[in-house]
Amino acid sequence: EAGVAQSPRYKIIEKRQSVAFWCNPISGHATLYWYQQILGQGPKLLIQFQNNGVVDDSQLPKDRFSAERLKGVDSTLKIQPAKLEDSAVYLCASSFPGSDTQYFGPGTRLTVL
Amino acid sequence: KQEVTQIPAALSVPEGENLVLNCSFTDSAIYNLQWFRQDPGKGLTSLLLIQSSQREQTSGRLNASLDKSSGRSTLYIAASQPGDSATYLCAVRRRGAQKLVFGQGTRLTINP
Repeated sequence: EAGVAQSPRYKIIEKRQSVAFWCNPISGHATLYWYQQILGQGPKLLIQFQNNGVVDDSQLPKDRFSAERLKGVDSTLKIQPAKLEDSAVYLCASSFPGSDTQYFGPGTRLTVL
Repeated sequence: KQEVTQIPAALSVPEGENLVLNCSFTDSAIYNLQWFRQDPGKGLTSLLLIQSSQREQTSGRLNASLDKSSGRSTLYIAASQPGDSATYLCAVRRRGAQKLVFGQGTRLTINP
């Protein structure tokens, strides 16, 4: 069974630029999560989708971050404009609805200079 | 607001030792608690999941306990091996939600 795929794996940009990350969840997983993990900290949930609807985006900085999940499968997370404090690993995870088990992708490491 | 704390932030022990990692949480109204392992450059892998009605779970050399009333969980690793070197994270799930709240992790190094 293929795991959660994310791209790119690494991205370096300058502040005020924009960046987008892509996630392809495990086939059949209706629930998709984006987490932000700053160095030395645990992951923090940014947004949770159920199919293509948003379940929880309470910790998403909506003035600069946006996410979509068209057709309820792949998802993109965008930052525009990026700030230095956005440097982090962005993790995507997926699960069956209501399941206790979330499967994580390898993450995208973003460095903002 | 749920807060999860892990102590220590880093731990280094010689191979073969038994060790305990600690996790504490502020709100006891949890649905379950999970322990994850994170290797450098990789995602998280779930190790053990304890439902709120359970006291402990075991998998091989790993044993996780949960004391919901005191807001504490421990992960016990027996006969540690260099391959156990990784960052260990605990996360709690609140009743009625799928959102996980993570601790900051303990970076474990097992020295040969």
